[in-house]
Amino acid sequence: DQQVKQNSPSLSVQEGRISILNCDYTNSMFDYFLWYKKYPAEGPTFLISISSIKDKNEDGRFTVFLNKSAKHLSLHIVPSQPGDSAVYFCAEAGANSKLTFGKGITLSVRP
Amino acid sequence: DTGVSQDPRHKITKRGQNVTFRCDPISEHNRLYWYRQTLGQGPEFLTYFQNEAQLEKSRLLSDRFSAERPKGSFSTLEIQRTEQGDSAMYLCASSTGTLNTGELFFGEGSRLTVL
Repeated sequence: DQQVKQNSPSLSVQEGRISILNCDYTNSMFDYFLWYKKYPAEGPTFLISISSIKDKNEDGRFTVFLNKSAKHLSLHIVPSQPGDSAVYFCAEAGANSKLTFGKGITLSVRP
Repeated sequence: DTGVSQDPRHKITKRGQNVTFRCDPISEHNRLYWYRQTLGQGPEFLTYFQNEAQLEKSRLLSDRFSAERPKGSFSTLEIQRTEQGDSAMYLCASSTGTLNTGELFFGEGSRLTVL
């Protein structure tokens, strides 16, 4: 079974500093991972993804790193902004684009 | 707006009643998914449609749950004889289905409260 673990339930950082959100996985079928962001009372929205052919993918302030040997990925947000405060879910893609999500990390960016 | 839409956004019902949620996916998306999210958890997969065919169901989907996508467009999720444990956010998502590793586009969800 695919499993995705986000072991830290919350993270608080100062505006302008770096936020690092971590995610571990067990058995991966496609080695393709996505990060979703969720505000209260809204559905999750896609943020960034990474496939096994890369170890890094960057999109503006967001960078995702994949360490296949450690079965670990991380999302870096720099510089962090108050509008980044949300719940961030790491997800692993399975067959037919079915996603397996972690429990999420609540990020708070302090002004 | 051409995103995924869900209705109703909120539903409060008494235990034992039936409820139905509707999802309208992005029009060109042939894959549709239902997920459930409870407090402190990530979304959990319930079921998946490719066009009108229901191709996969999670073991979370008990016999009281039924989902349909009759014409390959909108979908409904019905819960019969609701229980308090059914209280959750029910999320619908759609995708183009051209790849196994595509992003899903989620609706805003339907929050169910069973009293």
